[in-house]
Amino acid sequence: GAGVSQTPSNKVTEKGKYVELRCDPISGHTALYWYRQSLGQGPEFLIYFQGTGAADDSGLPNDRFFAVRPEGSVSTLKIQRTERGDSAVYLCASQGGGKSGANVLTFGAGSRLTVL
Amino acid sequence: AQSVTQPDIHITVSEGASLELRCNYSYGATPYLFWYVQSPGQGLQLLLKYFSGDTLVQGIKGFEAEFKRSQSSFNLRKPSVHWSDAAEYFCAAQSMEYGNKLVFGAGTILRVKS
Repeated sequence: GAGVSQTPSNKVTEKGKYVELRCDPISGHTALYWYRQSLGQGPEFLIYFQGTGAADDSGLPNDRFFAVRPEGSVSTLKIQRTERGDSAVYLCASQGGGKSGANVLTFGAGSRLTVL
Repeated sequence: AQSVTQPDIHITVSEGASLELRCNYSYGATPYLFWYVQSPGQGLQLLLKYFSGDTLVQGIKGFEAEFKRSQSSFNLRKPSVHWSDAAEYFCAAQSMEYGNKLVFGAGTILRVKS
């Protein structure tokens, strides 16, 4: 597609529930990133995929967080047993190849998660 | 560990005045450097980037940034601010030394007075 698409744009859930957030990257982009942005802070790295595999998942805060990218395109961030502290905007970005696109991340509008 | 610091949480300037937003980085080697802008409810938009070469880089919307190795800085500037520039600005750095992840500063909120 023309840009990075994230769904849902807003999600309200109750503490303890399971949540899935979806990211549809720019067509042809092989690298995909997830970030979390809490109120008043800069985006915080969670995980990075190169193709289907997680190249770096060092930013995932704990084992309640998991992400997949089974076909090397769409990715899903999964959060189990949500806690109020998980409330944030979850940003997805994809990275193009070639000289002009290398090392430049294009971000989606984000999915705002609110855990009550 | 690698880090990006934006010392100013908020900055207020008058419309038409010049602007400088500060950014410092702490990396072993010079990373790639970026400035992004985020308007309320919007995604992050890339303003400009520095990979190598000319230390003064031009970006979109009339912004420019200057890389200074001696100061480990990459400050963003604009000669004349417009009301539509009010937003939050993030400096970011990326280096293969620390994997390929983009590390962001905490952001600077720009307010423009009319």
